[in-house]
Amino acid sequence: DGGITQSPKYLFRKEGQNVTLSCEQNLNHDAMYWYRQDPGQGLRLIYYSQIVNDFQKGDIAEGYSVSREKKESFPLTVTSAQKNPTAFYLCASSTGLGGLHFGNGTRLTVT
Amino acid sequence: GENVEQHPSTLSVQEGDSAVIKCTYSDSASNYFPWYKQELGKGPQLIIDIRSNVGEKKDQRIAVTLNKTAKHFSLHITETQPEDSAVYFCAAQANYGNNRLAFGKGNQVVVIP
Repeated sequence: DGGITQSPKYLFRKEGQNVTLSCEQNLNHDAMYWYRQDPGQGLRLIYYSQIVNDFQKGDIAEGYSVSREKKESFPLTVTSAQKNPTAFYLCASSTGLGGLHFGNGTRLTVT
Repeated sequence: GENVEQHPSTLSVQEGDSAVIKCTYSDSASNYFPWYKQELGKGPQLIIDIRSNVGEKKDQRIAVTLNKTAKHFSLHITETQPEDSAVYFCAAQANYGNNRLAFGKGNQVVVIP
């Protein structure tokens, strides 16, 4: 089945450590996105990539970094510079012509 | 940029009744309006969408209506069932070449058996 795989589902880190969240898609979509979800805040765009080797900042990019070396992969690194990293992170992809396909998310807890 | 507002934030309905969620948007250039359903612990799933060249679209028990003049669009769920309980997000997209969606903050729908 085609889809988006995010791993792991739950992730725990100590404050001050960088952590990388994985996102893989086999939908052959060009565009990929990272969103952050906090209670009552909806979905906020962190970074997006419309094509391999290119990506743009979203609305809340500070403290995050991404890479897009392969079409099917778009990993997100939460750096120690992110002041409030605890959240639910969602990866998505699209053909660019319409709606997004989301993964089932990674819940990151930083203590 | 686009600003999408969603009301009400929480909606409780009796099983079998209808539920309506309304969203407003700010950018008159927006031309694509999807709705997503998110169940607990999962990612959002696209359930229906509408483009600005039509006013209404139906898919079984769900429908979406669009009023471009007033800049609002609504999700209608008829004959609600317990499995309709979820958080619903609306979104709007303007065709500026980056395909970015602006999301509402979500609406918790609770269907009471």
